[in-house]
Amino acid sequence: EADIYQTPRYLVIGTGKKITLECSQTMGHDKMYWYQQDPGMELHLIHYSYGVNSTEKGDLSSESTVSRIRTEHFPLTLESARPSHTSQYLCASSANGDRERAFFGQGTRLTVV
Amino acid sequence: GNSVTQMEGPVTLSEEAFLTINCTYTATGYPSLFWYVQYPGEGLQLLLKATKADDKGSNKGFEATYRKETTSFHLEKGSVQVSDSAVYFCALSDSTGGFKTIFGAGTRLFVKA
Repeated sequence: EADIYQTPRYLVIGTGKKITLECSQTMGHDKMYWYQQDPGMELHLIHYSYGVNSTEKGDLSSESTVSRIRTEHFPLTLESARPSHTSQYLCASSANGDRERAFFGQGTRLTVV
Repeated sequence: GNSVTQMEGPVTLSEEAFLTINCTYTATGYPSLFWYVQYPGEGLQLLLKATKADDKGSNKGFEATYRKETTSFHLEKGSVQVSDSAVYFCALSDSTGGFKTIFGAGTRLFVKA
């Protein structure tokens, strides 16, 4: 049902490498989010955006950065990956208004070795 | 600030058993409430939602009623199936939180045949 896509689905990468996780949505949503999901399942908001050129830090501190140059695109970048960054990363989007549900991508499972 | 508390899992049931997963919330405004489900290896999908007090959300045999007096949104299903095995997240969104979606910690459900 969702028109929100994340790539890659799985990524294994060496320590110190720079990586970008891609997230795109075709629904024209203004709001987009990145969540980090730990092995215990809990979701932690690490970044969000209310629209083009808007980015905010979430509730969980993260060494990653994001950008929002186009409405449909919300990439997340790690300049230097470390084993502590190993996790599942979920991207989501929603339309404006508090009645709107969030749509999720399938997630990227990142392993840093 | 806004928060969501769910019962801890895992919850293990036999097929056709009755399911209840408790969820309570704290919000300064009048939030919308959601239940999302996550199947293994996937992102989250909306299961049901309710946008005001006494609303009942329902989908696929699952139900939850928005109880403002007890600040609760418990998920119920009369007869679970093996295919219902997943992680269930309670969530809220409201204007005082900037319309960010706040998730509970998730409850893992195992259904045995």
